[in-house]
Amino acid sequence: DTEVTQTPKHLVMGMTNKKSLKCEQHMGHRAMYWYKQKAKKPPELMFVYSYEKLSINESVPSRFSPECPNSSLLNLHLHALQPEDSALYLCASSQDSGGWYEQYFGPGTRLTVT
Amino acid sequence: LAKTTQPISMDSYEGQEVNITCSHNNIATNDYITWYQQFPSQGPRFIIQGYKTKVTNEVASLFIPADRKSSTLSLPRVSLSDTAVYYCLVGDSYEGRNTPLVFGKGTRLSVIA
Repeated sequence: DTEVTQTPKHLVMGMTNKKSLKCEQHMGHRAMYWYKQKAKKPPELMFVYSYEKLSINESVPSRFSPECPNSSLLNLHLHALQPEDSALYLCASSQDSGGWYEQYFGPGTRLTVT
Repeated sequence: LAKTTQPISMDSYEGQEVNITCSHNNIATNDYITWYQQFPSQGPRFIIQGYKTKVTNEVASLFIPADRKSSTLSLPRVSLSDTAVYYCLVGDSYEGRNTPLVFGKGTRLSVIA
């Protein structure tokens, strides 16, 4: 199984809501990532988890809170988002966190903040 | 991190070979070159990776000159389904090192019938 799954596919939330995005992989990968992608732009790295520990936070605002409950699961908790946070949120995993490991991406969650 | 530069966009007719060149002048000794493909509203997909000379798989070829300051992704006989954004990335090979890949602007390839 070489699939990364993400739920939900689409999410609409108000600026005062709290919601969570979920990502799952069963490839035994020890690195997991969150990316944000705006229309016609490249994916921007947000967070990296390596062996279930947060190893990189690319200066992401605290209204985004990642969580890695176990080696297969990655969550992104959202609170008090702004309309400019509307984007495609991509999860990825790789065997390890070195830059040469192939990353497997999920289909993304399309987030709209109203 | 090595920065990459690619053409913003390219057009090609079906059946032609397409070559997309990526410049990475400050590539480090331990860096690998990786290419990803992304269709609209989907996550990127790994295409090919190399360190030097030439690598070929069932989808593409990757040519890397001796100085490794550039690389060329070659897609043979493209079809309409190859219309996508292609990203060139450079990342190092140390096991467990926390220097993940950084996506550059990518090349938007449009294949015309």
